[in-house]
Amino acid sequence: KQEVTQIPAALSVPEGENLVLNCSFTDSAIYNLQWFRQDPGKGLTSLLLIQSSQREQTSGRLNASLDKSSGRSTLYIAASQPGDSATYLCAVSPGGSNYKLTFGKGTLLTVNP
Amino acid sequence: DVKVTQSSRYLVKRTGEKVFLECVQDMDHENMFWYRQDPGLGLRLIYFSYDVKMKEKGDIPEGYSVSREKKERFSLILESASTNQTSMYLCASSLTGFNQPQHFGDGTRLSIL
Repeated sequence: KQEVTQIPAALSVPEGENLVLNCSFTDSAIYNLQWFRQDPGKGLTSLLLIQSSQREQTSGRLNASLDKSSGRSTLYIAASQPGDSATYLCAVSPGGSNYKLTFGKGTLLTVNP
Repeated sequence: DVKVTQSSRYLVKRTGEKVFLECVQDMDHENMFWYRQDPGLGLRLIYFSYDVKMKEKGDIPEGYSVSREKKERFSLILESASTNQTSMYLCASSLTGFNQPQHFGDGTRLSIL
């Protein structure tokens, strides 16, 4: 059974710092990995999707990498801002299906002005 | 932009009531999903639908049913609400095919008294 772990559970940084969020998964047979952002009391916003054949994806100040063989992904946020404060979740889709995403429990990021 | 709309942000119901949660998407997506999100447990898939009138059980379908009579609308039904169904419910949709991101609504926070 696929398990997804995100460490740390919470992270607090000063504004302007570059930071890395970690995601690990136990079964490397995945089709893709997605990173989401969730603001308090809201739904999830898709940030980046990395296909299993890709090593990384970039969107603005965000860069996500994937090392499928070692079961790891990182989300790099450059020049963090208070507006980046949110919970970040990663999710993997198993080989053979795009439907049954398995989510990590998230990292709560606080960026202090 | 994809718009996934959940009919209620907050809902309070009583034990034993039949509860309907509604979700509508405006992007002609084939797939729709219902999740619940609980502290410490993360997001768990209840049901998903890959076409009109088609459905598959997720990880925790007990106590729930779903209905998809039209492509844009996916309903989650709590047949006889119980207090352990108090939770945040999230609806999502996606196109068919691998490597298609899921798009989420803002969620319904349901309290069963």
